Amino acid sequence: GAVVSQHPSWVICKSGTSVKIECRSLDFQATTMFWYRQFPKQSLMLMATSNEGSKATYEQGVEKDKFLINHASLTLSTLTVTSAHPEDSSFYICSARDVLPYEQYFGPGTRLTVT
Amino acid sequence: GQNIDQPTEMTATEGAIVQINCTYQTSGFNGLFWYQQHAGEAPTFLSYNVLDGLEEKGRFSSFLSRSKGYSYLLLKELQMKDSASYLCAVVDSNYQLIWGAGTKLIIKP
Repeated sequence: GAVVSQHPSWVICKSGTSVKIECRSLDFQATTMFWYRQFPKQSLMLMATSNEGSKATYEQGVEKDKFLINHASLTLSTLTVTSAHPEDSSFYICSARDVLPYEQYFGPGTRLTVT
Repeated sequence: GQNIDQPTEMTATEGAIVQINCTYQTSGFNGLFWYQQHAGEAPTFLSYNVLDGLEEKGRFSSFLSRSKGYSYLLLKELQMKDSASYLCAVVDSNYQLIWGAGTKLIIKP
């Protein structure tokens, strides 16, 4: 199956700093990538849908100025958490969608801890 | 609104069979996925159903009834490593994945 990588796998940062997470599709071109957040013992929550070369579409309640998404190429999307706060601590997972059958291939996730 | 329902938690015994149900109400339907997610890891693909019927893949099978808005994931010969959350997700008319909250499966020896 298709492979999606995510970097870093875990990061600890201080409150007020920014953190960038990269998501790459390694063996296929992903015109669409998705960013999810998952708090402990909860289900996936879609944050935004990212299409190559255009602005991301954010879900209701997700601050676009705080969670900056850039999808500059068919194999790379980045999520930048700006001015991070402890409540942003979570497991962030990206996925890339193939054309058919619309299956999403998930990256391994990034665990962010803001102190 | 769109809604996907699955049990929050289930418990089963090693070596037994368990069926995890998923019912959905979505705007359109372009397929249903089952994913497995171990604690602290990303989801991994298990199955995809777009036509009615049963799809068998080793110890795991997935069933779909579009008229009833219903699917189930059947796990046979349960192993301890099958302890995980199982996520049901439906592709809606906009080709977006609508996620269920997941079913935590606990396997006991």
